[in-house]
Amino acid sequence: DTGVSQNPRHKITKRGQNVTFRCDPISEHNRLYWYRQTLGQGPEFLTYFQNEAQLEKSRLLSDRFSAERPKGSFSTLEIQRTEQGDSAMYLCASSFRGTGAYEQYFGPGTRLTVT
Amino acid sequence: AQTVTQSQPEMSVQEAETVTLSCTYDTSESDYYLFWYKQPPSRQMILVIRQEAYKQQNATENRFSVNFQKAAKSFSLKISDSQLGDAAMYFCAYSRAGGTSYGKLTFGQGTILTVHP
Repeated sequence: DTGVSQNPRHKITKRGQNVTFRCDPISEHNRLYWYRQTLGQGPEFLTYFQNEAQLEKSRLLSDRFSAERPKGSFSTLEIQRTEQGDSAMYLCASSFRGTGAYEQYFGPGTRLTVT
Repeated sequence: AQTVTQSQPEMSVQEAETVTLSCTYDTSESDYYLFWYKQPPSRQMILVIRQEAYKQQNATENRFSVNFQKAAKSFSLKISDSQLGDAAMYFCAYSRAGGTSYGKLTFGQGTILTVHP
C-alpha cells in the first residue's frame, strides 16, 4: 500500500488552457474526495465519489470543472478554460467504507498555477 | 451549513512544553465527528486525532489529546512534550455522521504551530 498518489505534482498553465489532474487512491478505498486549498487557508470540499458514482458536488465546482472516477478506481479532475482564480493546491483523499469513511488519507496534492 | 473556526492564526511553543490549539464549530446536527489534521510544510496532510460526538470521553493519541465541549461547540487540541517535528499547520475539521454527506470534511482556517528548540 503506497498511499494516495496525485499527478502531476505541479502544473503551470496559461489562462484559457485546459488541465487534467489524476488521483490514485489507496486500493480498496471506495470513497474518493477532491478538495481545493488556497495559500494559507483550509481545504474546501469540491466533490466526492463512492465507487464510480459522484454523489455530491460543491457550488465551488463551476461548469468548467468536471470529475470522473471510471470503474471506481482512479479519478480525474479537469478544469476547462482555466482562470487565474483557479490557482490553488488540489488535494485528493480516499477512505474505506463504514466507520473507515471518517478517516481520510490525503495525497500530496497538485499545485496549479495559472498565468 | 456547518462552519469551523480557528481563531489562532499562529501559535508557538518551546520544545518539551505544552501547547493548546483552539477550535469552535457550529452545527445543528447531534451526531458528528471532529478531527485535527496536521499539514507539515510541503508535505501531505495526516490525521492526528478523531473525536466522535456521541462519546463523552475525550480522545487521546500519545502526546495528543482533545478537550471536547459539546454544549459549547468547542474542540481544542493539546500537544504535550512538544517536539520539533510537531511544527506544521494544524486544521480542525468537522464531518457529519450518517446521511449522504458523511465523511465530507469542513475545515477551519488553520493554525501555524512553530516549535522553538
